[in-house]
Amino acid sequence: AQSVTQLGSHVSVSEGALVLLRCNYSSSVPPYLFWYVQYPNQGLQLLLKYTSAATLVKGINGFEAEFKKSETSFHLTKPSAHMSDAAEYFCAVSDKTSYDKVIFGPGTSLSVIP
Amino acid sequence: DAGVIQSPRHEVTEMGQEVTLRCKPISGHNSLFWYRQTMMRGLELLIYFNNNVPIDDSGMPEDRFSAKMPNASFSTLKIQPSEPRDSAVYFCASSLRQGPANYGYTFGSGTRLTVV
Repeated sequence: AQSVTQLGSHVSVSEGALVLLRCNYSSSVPPYLFWYVQYPNQGLQLLLKYTSAATLVKGINGFEAEFKKSETSFHLTKPSAHMSDAAEYFCAVSDKTSYDKVIFGPGTSLSVIP
Repeated sequence: DAGVIQSPRHEVTEMGQEVTLRCKPISGHNSLFWYRQTMMRGLELLIYFNNNVPIDDSGMPEDRFSAKMPNASFSTLKIQPSEPRDSAVYFCASSLRQGPANYGYTFGSGTRLTVV
């Protein structure tokens, strides 16, 4: 069965600094991987997805993530944090035996310090 | 497109009452998902439908919970009777399933349920 772990329930960065949010997955077959963002009192919004094409995936708002099979990781990065990036970020996985069943990680709350 | 529409946005009800949450997926999407979000348990998949047919309801916590999708543009999640531990934010999401692939979901804004 798939599972997702996100290291660090809360991450703080200074405005303009690098954002790095960590995600590791467990899947017995090649996975689909996703990052979603949730702003306060809103639903989740898809940031980017990995579907077995390029291992470096670019998403919206300047975010990108790299799929590393050897490390079973899919970390999310952004070169320069903006105040508007403060939100909850969720890593998620599904696999090719159960495409529709997406399992979400516990989430990482990102704070951006001016 | 207006996106995935959920109603109501907020619901406060007394323990023992019936609660019905509603969802209108994006037109043309053929998969619909109900999730529950709490601080303690995070995001939990309750049930999902493909082409209006329930595929997996293993996440439904108890028989008090039921979900229907009578047509492609409407789904309900019902809790009867409701209990305080059902208090959570309930999200509906939809996607277009095209063959063996998953390209991500579009989520609604959620219904915040409080059972007192």
